[in-house]
Amino acid sequence: GAVVSQHPSRVICKSGTSVKIECRSLDFQATTMFWYRQFPKKSLMLMATSNEGSKATYEQGVEKDKFLINHASLTLSTLTVTSAHPEDSSFYICSARLAGYSYYNEQFFGPGTRLTVL
Amino acid sequence: GQSLEQPSEVTAVEGAIVQINCTYQTSGFYGLSWYQQHDGGAPTFLSYNALDGLEETGRFSSFLSRSDSYGYLLLQELQMKDSASYFCAVIIYRAGANNLFFGTGTRLTVIP
Repeated sequence: GAVVSQHPSRVICKSGTSVKIECRSLDFQATTMFWYRQFPKKSLMLMATSNEGSKATYEQGVEKDKFLINHASLTLSTLTVTSAHPEDSSFYICSARLAGYSYYNEQFFGPGTRLTVL
Repeated sequence: GQSLEQPSEVTAVEGAIVQINCTYQTSGFYGLSWYQQHDGGAPTFLSYNALDGLEETGRFSSFLSRSDSYGYLLLQELQMKDSASYFCAVIIYRAGANNLFFGTGTRLTVIP
């Protein structure tokens, strides 16, 4: 149980276009989902916390207008990279925490999306 | 903000024991978790410590000292498949949710 999927797994796009990444919890409901960014051989950096039905909370330094997050249901959150540029190329990973467990500390991670902007 | 430090690389022999240390500086500390990540894969949860002491889960154990802002992951009976990156992560309760902030990561290489 507790499987999180991401789609697409890889995407290559041209500079200036927008890319949408989906994160789904397949067999559980997730009140809260998280979006991370990871550069090669580096750590995961929390970008934003996404709560179902409300606005996402972004970490300092993350542009809200560039990285649009929508959490429309208890099983789906989306990250849209708007007007992507080569510096946005990275590995984007989402995670989810079980609904109803505010203090449950295990996050379940998706397999990640490799974004390459040409 | 948060600051977590780990050794960048560790090499150990198959069957041996290895300890990966993590020191942290943060406010609002709730607990310390450890995650394993193979190249190109998703992080997977290994362990969690909220209180001081040792938590054991099979071959993996994790220790926390809140007063020292220090923890470690202990891997016993190393196997080749344990070669991966290991991240400590502080859990901070903020804005109604537990957030994870990851350390710099330790790349473990297990050799025959």
